[in-house]
Amino acid sequence: EVQLLESGGGLVQPGGSLRLSCAASGFTFNSYAMSWVRQAPGKGLQWVSGISAGGSGSYYADSVRGRFSIFRDNSKNTLYLQMNSLRAEDSAIYFCVEGGGWSGSAVKYHFDYWGQGTLVTVSS
Amino acid sequence: QTVVTQEPSFSVSPGGTVTLTCGLSSGSVSTSYYPSWYQQTPGQAPRTLIYNTNTRSSGVPDRFSGSILGNKAALTITGAQADDESDYYCVLYMGSAIWVFGGGTKLTVL
Repeated sequence: EVQLLESGGGLVQPGGSLRLSCAASGFTFNSYAMSWVRQAPGKGLQWVSGISAGGSGSYYADSVRGRFSIFRDNSKNTLYLQMNSLRAEDSAIYFCVEGGGWSGSAVKYHFDYWGQGTLVTVSS
Repeated sequence: QTVVTQEPSFSVSPGGTVTLTCGLSSGSVSTSYYPSWYQQTPGQAPRTLIYNTNTRSSGVPDRFSGSILGNKAALTITGAQADDESDYYCVLYMGSAIWVFGGGTKLTVL
């Protein structure tokens, strides 16, 4: 059974930093692209960032490029999202998702398995 | 900036058929956008329904189907059930490893 367990969310002041983690199990982690998708309270889903299976390619939505960094440790089956210069509009549930990107030589154009999410609140 | 459009809300009677759409603020949706669809109930993570326009995800009943209708991607629910009452999101691949979600459609079954 595929499991994605996010952690690291919490309350942070504007301008602060936070690192999210996603522990993956139940599949061959290093064979799949991974993504972060967020959802502000009462709002819709927003793709945030993706990373290729091997970690060599990383991609960002315009709203977070330059502030967020996605990376992965395939030896630990863990995905990360380093979030710097946080703003109030970054407040959301952040979902770790399998899919969305290059897995070897093929692109997975959709998001398959979703974690339950971790809540990030940016407020003073 | 390209916006992915969805109906904000829709209602369907139990047993009825409903088609939700996913369009672009500028241009037409084609299979080259690899449209996919997700169902989300309050407080839950999204569930993948349809990908690559019309492929059902594992375990999804065949009353959910995807297609291209005119210049939009479409999700059709045939024989709607009470537990289909959810938010439905589409997402389009924009190229260069960028994805954009639509704003979502709140489906009411009554």
